[in-house]
Amino acid sequence: NAGVTQTPKFQVLKTGQSMTLQCAQDMNHEYMSWYRQDPGMGLRLIHYSVGAGITDQGEVPNGYNVSRSTTEDFPLRLLSAAPSQTSVYFCASGRLGNLETQYFGPGTRLLVL
Amino acid sequence: DQQVKQNSPSLSVQEGRISILNCDYTNSMFDYFLWYKKYPAEGPTFLISISSIKDKNEDGRFTVFLNKSAKHLSLHIVPSQPGDSAVYFCAASERVGSKSTFGDGTTLTVKP
Repeated sequence: NAGVTQTPKFQVLKTGQSMTLQCAQDMNHEYMSWYRQDPGMGLRLIHYSVGAGITDQGEVPNGYNVSRSTTEDFPLRLLSAAPSQTSVYFCASGRLGNLETQYFGPGTRLLVL
Repeated sequence: DQQVKQNSPSLSVQEGRISILNCDYTNSMFDYFLWYKKYPAEGPTFLISISSIKDKNEDGRFTVFLNKSAKHLSLHIVPSQPGDSAVYFCAASERVGSKSTFGDGTTLTVKP
C-alpha cells in the first residue's frame, strides 16, 4: 500500500513552460485535492475532486487545471508557468465524510525562473 | 482576510516540558478543528481533532482545547520530546468532512 505518491519530487521550469504534476493514490479514496504551500504560510487549496469526473475550484485555482478520469489519479497542470507559482505542492486524498484524516503525499517542490 | 491564524511562527521548548501551540479563528461557521504535524520534506499528517460540541479532546501526550466563545484553540503536548520538533498546522472546517482552511503553521523545536 503506497498511499499517496507524487512525481516529480523537484522540478525547475522557465516562465511560460507547461508541465503536469502527477498524483496517485491506492486507497480507493473518493476525495483528492491539491494544495500549495509558500514559505511561512499554510496550505492553500488549489483544486479538489469528490470522485472521478468531478472537479471543483479551491481557494487559489488561477493558473492551474485538473482532471479526474480515474479514482486513483489526479494530475495538476500548469499551462504557462509563472514565478509566482514557485511553491511546494501537496496532493492529498481522503474518504468523503472523513476528510479530517486526509493523507498527504510527500510534495513536489517547483521552482519557476 | 485570514480566517485561521497561528500568531506564533515558532516555539522552542525544553524536553520534558509542556508545549502549547495556539490558534485563533474568525469564521463563526467553523465547527470542526484539526491539528496536523509536518516534518521537513514530508507531507502533513493528521494529529488530533475536536468538534465544537466538545471543549477538550485527548490522545496520549496530545490534548486539544477549544474555547468557542473566544474562537480560540490550543494544542498541548506533554511531555514534549525531541521527536515532536516539526511544523504544526491548525485547520478548521465548517462541518465534519468538508474542506479545511489552514493556518500558517508554528515551528516547534524541542531541545534535549
